Amino acid sequence: ILNVEQSPQSLHVQEGDSTNFTCSFPSSNFYALHWYRWETAKSPEALFVMTLNGDEKKKGRISATLNTKEGYSYLYIKGSQPEDSATYLCASKETSGSRLTFGEGTQLTVNP
Amino acid sequence: DTGVSQDPRHKITKRGQNVTFRCDPISEHNRLYWYRQTLGQGPEFLTYFQNEAQLEKSRLLSDRFSAERPKGSFSTLEIQRTEQGDSAMYLCASSSYSSQETQYFGPGTRLLVL
Repeated sequence: ILNVEQSPQSLHVQEGDSTNFTCSFPSSNFYALHWYRWETAKSPEALFVMTLNGDEKKKGRISATLNTKEGYSYLYIKGSQPEDSATYLCASKETSGSRLTFGEGTQLTVNP
Repeated sequence: DTGVSQDPRHKITKRGQNVTFRCDPISEHNRLYWYRQTLGQGPEFLTYFQNEAQLEKSRLLSDRFSAERPKGSFSTLEIQRTEQGDSAMYLCASSSYSSQETQYFGPGTRLLVL
């Protein structure tokens, strides 16, 4: 059974600040790491899927890195905006097509 | 809208009643997943279909829960004899190999059992 952990649990930043979150996962039987952004009353939005050690992905002001050997991924947000306020979830997958095992999420609040 | 849709979005029921939720995946996706999310937790896997075949079920899925995907398109999740502990957000997701296996989620059905 995978145990995916995220930190911090919640985070309050000011508009314009840059921030980052951590996701840790068991490095054995690793297939893929997913990041999602979930805003209240909306569907979770897929941000990134990463599979290879050293992968780096970028989408606008958001980027993510992956270290499969030590079992962690970082999500970075540059110049946070109030619309970035959401819960950011990471999830690990052991094999192709299988279930996602989610962390508890990091709730980000960006104050104007 | 070609995303994943779920119906209803909200359901309030009394303990002991049966409820059924529907999920319509993205049309070309052959894989469909159900997850449950309770307050303060991340989504937890319930079950997974590839086409019409139910390939995996979590031990969270007690015998009061049943899921179907009869023609490999939409899916239903039924909870019989609901309990207060069933109150949660029920999320559906779909994926295909060509989408790099990204699971695309619907907006969820929020269930409240009184």
